[in-house]
Amino acid sequence: ILNVEQSPQSLHVQEGDSTNFTCSFPSSNFYALHWYRWETAKSPEALFVMTLNGDEKKKGRISATLNTKEGYSYLYIKGSQPEDSATYLCAFNAGGTSYGKLTFGQGTILTVHP
Amino acid sequence: GAGVSQSPSNKVTEKGKDVELRCDPISGHTALYWYRQRLGQGLEFLIYFQGNSAPDKSGLPSDRFSAERTGESVSTLTIQRTQQEDSAVYLCASSSAPNSYNEQFFGPGTRLTVL
Repeated sequence: ILNVEQSPQSLHVQEGDSTNFTCSFPSSNFYALHWYRWETAKSPEALFVMTLNGDEKKKGRISATLNTKEGYSYLYIKGSQPEDSATYLCAFNAGGTSYGKLTFGQGTILTVHP
Repeated sequence: GAGVSQSPSNKVTEKGKDVELRCDPISGHTALYWYRQRLGQGLEFLIYFQGNSAPDKSGLPSDRFSAERTGESVSTLTIQRTQQEDSAVYLCASSSAPNSYNEQFFGPGTRLTVL
């Protein structure tokens, strides 16, 4: 059983604050690490697919880093806005015979207060 | 283009009844996945279809759960003799294979409530 952990479980910040959260995953059999944003009443939306140790990806005010050797990824949001409020999910893909499966963490629920 | 669609969006049923949930993947996507999220838990893998290969059913929680896919299109997830613990949001996703490291595109989900 693969263990993918996210912390914190929930986070409340004020508009304009920068924030970050963590995803930890197995450091062996790594294929890819995905980040998704899931807003209430919408479909989960892909943010990043990260594949190489040391990867750093950016999309607007959101960025993510990857350390496959120690098994963690950070997601950063700079200058949070109320529309960033969502559940942020990471998902681990072990590849190989598990190619089709993503193992998700429980998510971090972010609430940005105006 | 159209995304992944699911129906119904909400389903309330009585314990012991059978339910069918439907997923229409993105046209041309050969891979289709079912997940569920029970209250307070993470997304849980259920089953994965890839082209004409035998599906990976390793995530189905019991033999009351089954899924079918017609070619590379519609999929139905059937839950027989529903139990209260089956209450969850059931999400379907599809991806093109091979693609950018298995990026999956999700539907809006079906919220199932078993009374």
